[in-house]
Amino acid sequence: SQTIHQWPATLVQPVGSPLSLECTVEGTSNPNLYWYRQAAGRGLQLLFYSVGIGQISSEVPQNLSASRPQDRQFILSSKKLLLSDSGFYLCAWSVEAGQTEAFFGQGTRLTVV
Amino acid sequence: TQLLEQSPQFLSIQEGENLTVYCNSSSVFSSLQWYRQEPGEGPVLLVTVVTGGEVKKLKRLTFQFGDARKDSSLHITAAQPGDTGLYLCAGTRGYALNFGKGTSLLVTP
Repeated sequence: SQTIHQWPATLVQPVGSPLSLECTVEGTSNPNLYWYRQAAGRGLQLLFYSVGIGQISSEVPQNLSASRPQDRQFILSSKKLLLSDSGFYLCAWSVEAGQTEAFFGQGTRLTVV
Repeated sequence: TQLLEQSPQFLSIQEGENLTVYCNSSSVFSSLQWYRQEPGEGPVLLVTVVTGGEVKKLKRLTFQFGDARKDSSLHITAAQPGDTGLYLCAGTRGYALNFGKGTSLLVTP
């Protein structure tokens, strides 16, 4: 069966520090991968998606970047965090690009102080 | 601009009541999905509706896709405290799912 792992679960970082959130998927090949951000328990904002290794599409220009160094690994990064980067970050995968169920990780609660 | 508008944003009801939440858009979708999210966790899929006018039932939950495939509704019969959570609708745009802001439901005993 397929599983998705996302870590860390919680993170408190000072303004200006770097960020690296990691997501890995097991039990499937060539998944479509996504990073979403959710503010204050509300809707999910799509940040990045990837349909293959090294292929990253950005939905919203901002202080973040994403990379996919391996087929089932998706990383969200920042060189210098801003207060506005605080939120709940969710990694997800799907079999087909946007057409089928998205399976979500447990999320990372990021607080920038 | 928000592609999918959900209403109401918040809903607090007592156990046993019925409720309906809505997901509306000016765009046509090939399918819409409904997810339920509990605090501190990722969303979990409840249902996917594909055909205009389609009705799907999941125990006490009834999902309907509008004839024009621009809107959807979720009706819960005899709500229970376990139904508490954030209900999100999502539709495909390009390569990824786009989500509404959700309806936060609280069911009190």
